Amino acid sequence: SYEVTQPPSVSVSPGQTARITCSGEKLENKYVCWYQQKAGQSPVLVMYQGSKRPSGIPERFSGSNSGNTATLTISGTQAMDEADYYCQAWERSTAVFGGGTKLTVL
Amino acid sequence: QVQLVESGGGVVQPGTSLRLSCAASGFTFSSYTMHWVRQAPGKGLEWVAVISSDATNKEYTDSVKGRFTISRDNSRNRLYLQMSSLRAEDTALYYCARDDSGIGNDYWGQGTLVTVSS
Repeated sequence: SYEVTQPPSVSVSPGQTARITCSGEKLENKYVCWYQQKAGQSPVLVMYQGSKRPSGIPERFSGSNSGNTATLTISGTQAMDEADYYCQAWERSTAVFGGGTKLTVL
Repeated sequence: QVQLVESGGGVVQPGTSLRLSCAASGFTFSSYTMHWVRQAPGKGLEWVAVISSDATNKEYTDSVKGRFTISRDNSRNRLYLQMSSLRAEDTALYYCARDDSGIGNDYWGQGTLVTVSS
């Protein structure tokens, strides 16, 4: 079965750029979504089709997907961005999640 | 506004069954594919099952195949997950999520907790 891999943790200083990666074989050929999950809350979609932002998601969130790696980039990271982030790769109607990356803003 | 409200969770013994429900409102439920996603305590998200808008297509993650059944009642705007032969490793918060085709899971419920323990 298909698998995607994320780093367990990423740390960033406020105002700096955070990059969270998601790796999988030929990932560029799949739809990739990203979700933000804050403690005690349900996941929120922050990126779809690799690089498209849903309405209401700040412009500081951007995404890319090339080769075997998708990347979620948060520019000018704010304290409110501290959360777990999950990538999701779609294959037809089924999906697989990465293990999640804990973003710490310190 | 779109709302998804799960119910039916609880504490059950290994080997028993449980049915989860997800009540949908604020959108045309019958037009959307729906998913169940679970999250074990302190762990990451795991996709569980999907059902097409007309219930003709259903798929499951390998670990629940033959034990879980996803279904829906479009007349009642409800999604279900029938779980049988439950195992300790099925312990998790179970979310239902809407699938906006090509966009992803754009709305999620708050989840219902299933604990499998003797």
